[in-house]
Amino acid sequence: AQSVTQPDIHITVSEGASLELRCNYSYGATPYLFWYVQSPGQGLQLLLKYFSGDTLVQGIKGFEAEFKRSQSSFNLRKPSVHWSDAAEYFCAVSTSGTYKYIFGTGTRLKVLA
Amino acid sequence: GAGVSQSPSNKVTEKGKDVELRCDPISGHTALYWYRQSLGQGLEFLIYFQGNSAPDKSGLPSDRFSAERTGGSVSTLTIQRTQQEDSAVYLCASSPRDRGYNEQFFGPGTRLTVL
Repeated sequence: AQSVTQPDIHITVSEGASLELRCNYSYGATPYLFWYVQSPGQGLQLLLKYFSGDTLVQGIKGFEAEFKRSQSSFNLRKPSVHWSDAAEYFCAVSTSGTYKYIFGTGTRLKVLA
Repeated sequence: GAGVSQSPSNKVTEKGKDVELRCDPISGHTALYWYRQSLGQGLEFLIYFQGNSAPDKSGLPSDRFSAERTGGSVSTLTIQRTQQEDSAVYLCASSPRDRGYNEQFFGPGTRLTVL
């Protein structure tokens, strides 16, 4: 069955530290991959997406993610975290010809001052 | 331009009552999705509308849940005879096309609490 796994439920980092959020997927076809961020009381906002081409994609707010087919992963990274990055992050997968997304269960990020 | 809007933002109801949740998608977006987000869970797909095609209702958890989309725009999600397990945040999203690679634009959600 198709699935998306975000193994870390909570992550705490200090402001200015680097960040990596993990996402692994199980999908038979070539995936389309997304990272969304959800601030408290808000809807989801797209950070970045991967469809094809360069496996390192840049997004908004200084985030980037790397698609590694051999590892079935699409980890989100940021070199220096800001306090405003505290939020919940969701990885999602879709595939060509379908309109459904499969979302991971999310990783809640806490940033220490 | 205006994003996806949802109303009400919060809804508290008593067990057994019916509730209606509204979604106004981005103008011109033909695809509309409803999701349920329970505490500690990811987003659970409920239903999908695309233009005039029959909706995909495969994610609706029971026959107490229904949704309609009038005139290809506004959508209403109805939950009849609410149960405590229906308590969740209900998110609506719209997309300009029905392809997997198009971004979904999310509304702020409706937080439903069933007492």
